[in-house]
Amino acid sequence: GAVVSQHPSWVICKSGTSVKIECRSLDFQATTMFWYRQFPKQSLMLMATSNEGSKATYEQGVEKDKFLINHASLTLSTLTVTSAHPEDSSFYICSASGLAGGGAYEQYFGPGTRLTVT
Amino acid sequence: GQQLNQSPQSMFIQEGEDVSMNCTSSSIFNTWLWYKQDPGEGPVLLIALYKAGELTSNGRLTAQFGITRKDSFLNISASIPSDVGIYFCAGTLNDYKLSFGAGTTVTVRA
Repeated sequence: GAVVSQHPSWVICKSGTSVKIECRSLDFQATTMFWYRQFPKQSLMLMATSNEGSKATYEQGVEKDKFLINHASLTLSTLTVTSAHPEDSSFYICSASGLAGGGAYEQYFGPGTRLTVT
Repeated sequence: GQQLNQSPQSMFIQEGEDVSMNCTSSSIFNTWLWYKQDPGEGPVLLIALYKAGELTSNGRLTAQFGITRKDSFLNISASIPSDVGIYFCAGTLNDYKLSFGAGTTVTVRA
């Protein structure tokens, strides 16, 4: 149980274009989903928290107009990187928290999406 | 969330060895979580702890929630090659946002 998928697993895009990443909880309802960014050999950096049906809460320093988050249902959240630039290249990971049979604060992570902007 | 102090930053294991890593926080938590991340993958939840003093095992892994509620450790017994990876601790006090440690990188000693 508590499986989270992400799509795509990797994507290469040209500078100036937008990229959408999907995060799905496959076997539980995710009341809260999180989006992280991870640089090589570093820990996870929280970008934003989203609850189903409401606007995402962004961490300080994260541009909400650049990283658009939609949490339309209890099983799906999307992150759209708009007008991507090479410095947006990174590993993006989502996680989900909810009625997965675990504790209230357990987060289950997706496999990540490697974004490369050329 | 705040950054947790996780140590060691890296360690080398020899097959069969027992290894240990720990995390400390400047404030108390009511939940400690331990994750393992393989290269190019997302973290996988290994053990969750909810009560001070709690000792929980998952196969060869054992983790404890410190009595002070400000620390936790993870032990791996009889390590095997597939134990290599990055281990992260995470904690929270009644907040869905987790604080993460910087990670402990475990590699096999040549």
